[in-house]
Amino acid sequence: GQNIDQPTEMTATEGAIVQINCTYQTSGFNGLFWYQQHAGEAPTFLSYNVLDGLEEKGRFSSFLSRSKGYSYLLLKELQMKDSASYLCAVRLPSGGSYIPTFGRGTSLIVHP
Amino acid sequence: DTGVSQDPRHKITKRGQNVTFRCDPISEHNRLYWYRQTLGQGPEFLTYFQNEAQLEKSRLLSDRFSAERPKGSFSTLEIQRTEQGDSAMYLCASSLTWDTNNEKLFFGSGTQLSVL
Repeated sequence: GQNIDQPTEMTATEGAIVQINCTYQTSGFNGLFWYQQHAGEAPTFLSYNVLDGLEEKGRFSSFLSRSKGYSYLLLKELQMKDSASYLCAVRLPSGGSYIPTFGRGTSLIVHP
Repeated sequence: DTGVSQDPRHKITKRGQNVTFRCDPISEHNRLYWYRQTLGQGPEFLTYFQNEAQLEKSRLLSDRFSAERPKGSFSTLEIQRTEQGDSAMYLCASSLTWDTNNEKLFFGSGTQLSVL
């Protein structure tokens, strides 16, 4: 079966750094995405990795190791507005195409 | 670019009734997805369209669910004979797949369905 795992909840302090991990055991892989979702809102795109290594974009970075089935999202200089759910999604093969398939999400709480 | 829009934002219905939701994707996007999300979970794939063709449906999707995208633009999702377990947020997303690896999804705000 397809399995995408993330911690359910994390807490961190404003100004700190937090790392949110995602592991996957899947048959097939064609890229991994991170999305941010504030409560009651739609998910919004944060990052995309298809090759191994680190992708940096401002305060957010995402890392991928395909051999380990592992990714993380790194958030630096945390702000209160970063309190949200962070969704890991893997593009999985299905019927000749690829379907973005989501983990359950990690709820991040940033406190003062 | 007005983004992905969904209508209605909220729907309350009685068990056994039929409901229909609409999604208008970003105009040049060729792919359209429907997902369902419950509290504390990630979006669960339901079905997707490439232009007007429905290419994949989740095996979890019962025959009470049907979706259309008649002209390759807007899409509708209909649930017949609703059950309380259908209560969820129904999310629509669209993407442009010229670059088939980096498929960035743009989500609508969703339709929150409550079945009483």
